[in-house]
Amino acid sequence: EPEVTQTPSHQVTQMGQEVILRCVPISNHLYFYWYRQILGQKVEFLVSFYNNEISEKSEIFDDQFSVERPDGSNFTLKIRSTKLEDSAMYFCAGRRDPGNTIYFGEGSWLTVV
Amino acid sequence: DQQVKQNSPSLSVQEGRISILNCDYTNSMFDYFLWYKKYPAEGPTFLISISSIKDKNEDGRFTVFLNKSAKHLSLHIVPSQPGDSAVYFCAASRAGNTGKLIFGQGTTLQVKP
Repeated sequence: EPEVTQTPSHQVTQMGQEVILRCVPISNHLYFYWYRQILGQKVEFLVSFYNNEISEKSEIFDDQFSVERPDGSNFTLKIRSTKLEDSAMYFCAGRRDPGNTIYFGEGSWLTVV
Repeated sequence: DQQVKQNSPSLSVQEGRISILNCDYTNSMFDYFLWYKKYPAEGPTFLISISSIKDKNEDGRFTVFLNKSAKHLSLHIVPSQPGDSAVYFCAASRAGNTGKLIFGQGTTLQVKP
């Protein structure tokens, strides 16, 4: 049983459109993350989220990106106005407390056309 | 940002033999290291980890070795099986941080029957 589930598995969107990727970590995760992997490149950290606020974000995570966990369950990544270079596999991840291991979801493949 | 490097993009071994995947890091503040296995279009799956207070951790066929003075870690898989064929990522994190992971570029392992 996966620790983290993500939807959608694949989304195709037009440039400039808004996209929301969703994630459901298991209940004992307290730290949440989004990572992404552009085809052929390494997995990159985007943002970490703890106690209902962003705890750290990378340079990639600019004003076009936002995260929230509105209902205490779903953890979402929103990209307001997608660009071609946003095409990537986006991974949600969670971490228990205490614990150092981060568990990843299956990924959401975003294609911007 | 090349804080974690996997210098071998690919490795091919015969079934039953040992696979050794290597990883180097530059940031001496890293104190927790993980190996993930990844299939195409799937999320990274946690394999094994090691804290900087140890130099070896073993779990079944998988053993991770850490050489802090050389800032080097390796993953040994023995015996290798065809099902082990995948991309292997090493990742590092710092305690007291958000726990974000810095990934290497990955090594594609092919185990031939």
